[in-house]
Amino acid sequence: DAGITQSPRHKVTETGTPVTLRCHQTENHRYMYWYRQDPGHGLRLIHYSYGVKDTDKGEVSDGYSVSRSKTEDFLLTLESATSSQTSVYFCAISGYGGDSDTQYFGPGTRLTVL
Amino acid sequence: QKEVEQDPGPLSVPEGAIVSLNCTYSNSAFQYFMWYRQYSRKGPELLMYTYSSGNKEDGRFTAQVDKSSKYISLFIRDSQPSDSATYLCAKQDQGGSEKLVFGKGTKLTVNP
Repeated sequence: DAGITQSPRHKVTETGTPVTLRCHQTENHRYMYWYRQDPGHGLRLIHYSYGVKDTDKGEVSDGYSVSRSKTEDFLLTLESATSSQTSVYFCAISGYGGDSDTQYFGPGTRLTVL
Repeated sequence: QKEVEQDPGPLSVPEGAIVSLNCTYSNSAFQYFMWYRQYSRKGPELLMYTYSSGNKEDGRFTAQVDKSSKYISLFIRDSQPSDSATYLCAKQDQGGSEKLVFGKGTKLTVNP
């Protein structure tokens, strides 16, 4: 298994509270990604990072921010959580981001916003 | 139209059956296609990836790409109950960038 951990694995929070999810990798891979997975929508890219302090938006970035101060950590922040952000969040990593580069996924964080 | 379309199923087959999972895509610029398998409450894991048209085989699994019809398929021979999972197809974003676009996934159940 790729060395990817996510924390917390489960979280219940209330609308309007800030939430930070953490992805940690031990593979020293350059690229890191945050996805959300919802019934009827599949996996959708939120944000990704192509290096320390280098990030870019994905398909569904509104309401989310990210930070990457170290190669091994990629944080996803919901500044003010809403019920529409209830989802399962997956982190993924890849080595060089080029053609055919494989993305490896973490175990996921199940977030419920009440 | 979503860039990658996948029938969500669910699909239920008896053990030993040949399974065919299919996706279509709408942009011809794609070069790489992937199949991921996701067990319940787990992260997706890469099963196969393929480039260009033709078949790629790995044990009981065969990935097929038909670029003329923009069709990608995954075949599972001699299906087993352990193959019960959701299967996700994905394509490499055009221009060779790092982003993947996923289909919605097909849930497969193989009954003993």
